[in-house]
Amino acid sequence: NAGVMQNPRHLVRRRGQEARLRCSPMKGHSHVYWYRQLPEEGLKFMVYLQKENIIDESGMPKERFSAEFPKEGPSILRIQQVVRGDSAAYFCASSPGQGANYEQYFGPGTRLTVT
Amino acid sequence: DAKTTQPPSMDCAEGRAANLPCNHSTISGNEYVYWYRQIHSQGPQYIIHGLKNNETNEMASLIITEDRKSSTLILPHATLRDTAVYYCIVRLTGAGSYQLTFGKGTKLSVIP
Repeated sequence: NAGVMQNPRHLVRRRGQEARLRCSPMKGHSHVYWYRQLPEEGLKFMVYLQKENIIDESGMPKERFSAEFPKEGPSILRIQQVVRGDSAAYFCASSPGQGANYEQYFGPGTRLTVT
Repeated sequence: DAKTTQPPSMDCAEGRAANLPCNHSTISGNEYVYWYRQIHSQGPQYIIHGLKNNETNEMASLIITEDRKSSTLILPHATLRDTAVYYCIVRLTGAGSYQLTFGKGTKLSVIP
């Protein structure tokens, strides 16, 4: 059973460009979460999605960031007009259900570097 | 969410048991205790979770005190590959329970 897959693993963007990060959840999982880890800091929740629905985006920056989880295909985290402060590791996790008794399984992450 | 307190770092000799403590004195009756670890800069790895009873799986054991104010993660025979940052997380049930709140964790170094 393949785990959570993320691509690309490393992404370099110049300031002002767009970054698109992809996440394929584990088979049978319909709940996807995105977290960000800034250098030397812990992971911070960004957004929680189910198929075609954003459930909670309270951790997303108000501007330039968006996320989707379409009916078909991977979940996408999109960052428009990237700035140096967006440089971080972005992790996706998935779970088979929503409640606190469902563990979240994380992917390997995408390391975004903004030059 | 209840806050957790963990020592910033610990050492453990290879082959010995690693006992990682976590204090969560403000935990509520419906909050789960979860443990994850992050090896170097990889994605966090789920280890174990529990509500009231002690739990054991192929990776570790989780001992929760009777008053639920603290817990201990036990790695029975630590190997060099267990060197990682270990996070103790308290999760709500119900609304908002999907958010994992990562603190600073405990950096475990397994020494040959």
